[in-house]
Amino acid sequence: AQTVTQSQPEMSVQEAETVTLSCTYDTSESDYYLFWYKQPPSRQMILVIRQEAYKQQNATENRFSVNFQKAAKSFSLKISDSQLGDAAMYFCAYRSVNSRDDKIIFGKGTRLHILP
Amino acid sequence: IAGITQAPTSQILAAGRRMTLRCTQDMRHNAMYWYRQDLGLGLRLIHYSNTAGTTGKGEVPDGYSVSRANTDDFPLTLASAVPSQTSVYFCASSLDRSTEAFFGQGTRLTVV
Repeated sequence: AQTVTQSQPEMSVQEAETVTLSCTYDTSESDYYLFWYKQPPSRQMILVIRQEAYKQQNATENRFSVNFQKAAKSFSLKISDSQLGDAAMYFCAYRSVNSRDDKIIFGKGTRLHILP
Repeated sequence: IAGITQAPTSQILAAGRRMTLRCTQDMRHNAMYWYRQDLGLGLRLIHYSNTAGTTGKGEVPDGYSVSRANTDDFPLTLASAVPSQTSVYFCASSLDRSTEAFFGQGTRLTVV
């Protein structure tokens, strides 16, 4: 079974600085999707960024980018120029492309604090 | 309805009572999911449905049941609630494997 591990329960970063959130996953599959979701205090789940495993190029969305290392099964999220609104819980998620069961597996999350 | 809606938003339930959490989406998404979110444990998959008429067990299915009679609705039932089922429950849906999941606003359930 696939698993997703986020080893940093909490992190803090100074406003305007850069922070990287870690995510590793375990799978025997070669084709899959990886996601980062943001959950602010409102409890809403918001997609931050998506990466397709067969694409070597790292996905970017404005200030958010990923470092996808397929061989190492690592999928870290980099937030540049951190803003107060980035304070939230961040979840890494895995989704298989070819397995019979279409499950989306989440990590335990990393709570990010932005220091003014 | 726009997107995915859960009801109720919050509920206090006596232990032993039966409860159904409702989830409806109007996006014609094929896949639907139920997660519970607990502090320090992240989002854990309870049950899922890849298409109407089919369901599957997730990581923590015990004490919960689901049905998927049509594309839009995916209710989650607690047959006899226990305090350990106190949690925030999220319903999600997705069109296909290449797209992200969209989440409802969550249901905060307290079993006393």
